[in-house]
Amino acid sequence: GAVVSQHPSRVICKSGTSVKIECRSLDFQATTMFWYRQFPKKSLMLMATSNEGSKATYEQGVEKDKFLINHASLTLSTLTVTSAHPEDSSFYICSAAGPGGYEQYFGPGTRLTVT
Amino acid sequence: KNEVEQSPQNLTAQEGEFITINCSYSVGISALHWLQQHPGGGIVSLFMLSSGKKKHGRLIATINIQEKHSSLHITASHPRDSAVYICASLWGGSNYKLTFGKGTLLTVNP
Repeated sequence: GAVVSQHPSRVICKSGTSVKIECRSLDFQATTMFWYRQFPKKSLMLMATSNEGSKATYEQGVEKDKFLINHASLTLSTLTVTSAHPEDSSFYICSAAGPGGYEQYFGPGTRLTVT
Repeated sequence: KNEVEQSPQNLTAQEGEFITINCSYSVGISALHWLQQHPGGGIVSLFMLSSGKKKHGRLIATINIQEKHSSLHITASHPRDSAVYICASLWGGSNYKLTFGKGTLLTVNP
């Protein structure tokens, strides 16, 4: 399968600061990227879908001004958590896919801790 | 709304045992994923199937579209198989989405 990387794998930041997480597809062109969030012992929940060159589509209840998503190229999408709060602490996972998102390849995830 | 249910939630086995994890979903889907998540969180896609059966090494996945049910089997289980196994249904038309089950925590003891 295709290889998707995320950076950083872990990040600790102070409340009120912003954190950027990168998701890269290393060996294929990802026209669609997904961002998921996972709370401890819970299912992954889709936060947003981004198509290269377009604005992201956010799921209900996800604040688009807080979770800024950029998908400027076919190999890179970024998620910026703005003005982070402790309740934003979570495991964030991206996946990359071709058009429409039929087959998704998952990144290794980023564990964010906001103190 | 598509809902995905997995059973059991927790499973403990002895090395060498045959493992079965079940997944059921509520609406018609395009395909079903089986994923593996190790401690530390990284997710690996094991299978994506829309009909029948797939096999990879000691892992076998089956799906019954009419019954809206899929199973993941592990033969000759090993402690390194210990992980959370997640099924996820793929649905949608031009833009597909995944709905995830809550996962099954498998512990294989030596």
